[in-house]
Amino acid sequence: DTAVSQTPKYLVTQMGNDKSIKCEQNLGHDTMYWYKQDSKKFLKIMFSYNNKELIINETVPNRFSPKSPDKAHLNLHINSLELGDSAVYFCASSLGQGTVGYTFGSGTRLTVV
Amino acid sequence: GENVEQHPSTLSVQEGDSAVIKCTYSDSASNYFPWYKQELGKRPQLIIDIRSNVGEKKDQRIAVTLNKTAKHFSLHITETQPEDSAVYFCAARYSSASKIIFGSGTRLSIRP
Repeated sequence: DTAVSQTPKYLVTQMGNDKSIKCEQNLGHDTMYWYKQDSKKFLKIMFSYNNKELIINETVPNRFSPKSPDKAHLNLHINSLELGDSAVYFCASSLGQGTVGYTFGSGTRLTVV
Repeated sequence: GENVEQHPSTLSVQEGDSAVIKCTYSDSASNYFPWYKQELGKRPQLIIDIRSNVGEKKDQRIAVTLNKTAKHFSLHITETQPEDSAVYFCAARYSSASKIIFGSGTRLSIRP
């Protein structure tokens, strides 16, 4: 039973395309996140949702649009993909927004060619 | 601003020796400091965390210390083993926005 699952694991696509990454957690957590990890391994927060409500929206291009249909799912849609979007995208979840650790998904390696 | 600095960026130690990774944070109201281990090609995994009302926490070979006055916290791994080789991230929870900011990572290599 995977606690936080992301699909797809790998995604190779051409510049200009639109793609989506899906995330689901079965931990009963109420807060979910998207992080981007670039080639230098920096982990940077992009978005956070609590009970389907957007609570964190970092300075991310508006080509990135998260959607949370319910508190167990957080998807990421990316329009007009650019070379610089190539990275590993990690979904994570937590119970509440307080002093608790995150459980990460296995990541989606996005390569834009 | 929201910042967590982590040093060193790479660390190589002899198997059996200790490893120390240090971090500093800028928000004096930060109250939660987790550490994550990321093995090659895998997800970051929480290995230990400390809250601001505690100065030190230990779990077997891993310990974390927190100096709130200096806004420093450190990870100590004793009796290192080959399976300790990974990238380690410190992080701090910024209370103003309820988000966790990660340090830039330390690549730890254990020499046999």
